[in-house]
Amino acid sequence: NAGVTQTPKFRVLKTGQSMTLLCAQDMNHEYMYWYRQDPGMGLRLIHYSVGEGTTAKGEVPDGYNVSRLKKQNFLLGLESAAPSQTSVYFCASSVDREATQYFGPGTRLTVL
Amino acid sequence: AQSVTQLGSHVSVSEGALVLLRCNYSSSVPPYLFWYVQYPNQGLQLLLKYTTGATLVKGINGFEAEFKKSETSFHLTKPSAHMSDAAEYFCAVSHGATNKLIFGTGTLLAVQP
Repeated sequence: NAGVTQTPKFRVLKTGQSMTLLCAQDMNHEYMYWYRQDPGMGLRLIHYSVGEGTTAKGEVPDGYNVSRLKKQNFLLGLESAAPSQTSVYFCASSVDREATQYFGPGTRLTVL
Repeated sequence: AQSVTQLGSHVSVSEGALVLLRCNYSSSVPPYLFWYVQYPNQGLQLLLKYTTGATLVKGINGFEAEFKKSETSFHLTKPSAHMSDAAEYFCAVSHGATNKLIFGTGTLLAVQP
């Protein structure tokens, strides 16, 4: 049981490039989340999903898109990366709306 | 709107001393409250959570927290700090409708020998 995994672990992009971050969970959780962590700001919610095929905006959604085509996967896309998107990205999942969220190890993204 | 305030971005204690990390929250509905710990270059790990029931919550690694509604607080304590407790600690609130977590800005705990 791997829990929540994220790929890649590290990535460096140039401004304007695109990429997709993959989050996978093997716990059959309905709810999945993408957060970004910046120094002195804690974690902020980007997008979330309450089930396969559904997504919703969080606190800081601009510049990101997501998809949840399969229950176990939640993809975060950057269509045109900007330096302001340099951050550490964390994925999390929970079994239902009252349950503990389990976090992945994070993806460190640098946009030059 | 919900929010979380963690007083003190950096806290330093001596090994064996009391650890007290402060968290105050704002919520218009009964909150669910959480403390997470993050060790360097790792993801977040749940320490403890309060949903309903007993207001004193015990977590892993000897930590506990008390929900005080009148003070809108959920401070984290540990009687005796250990070197391995050095990490960043995040308080978070959720009202449960979508389980979205609102995090505080974190407190970096240093433990001096």
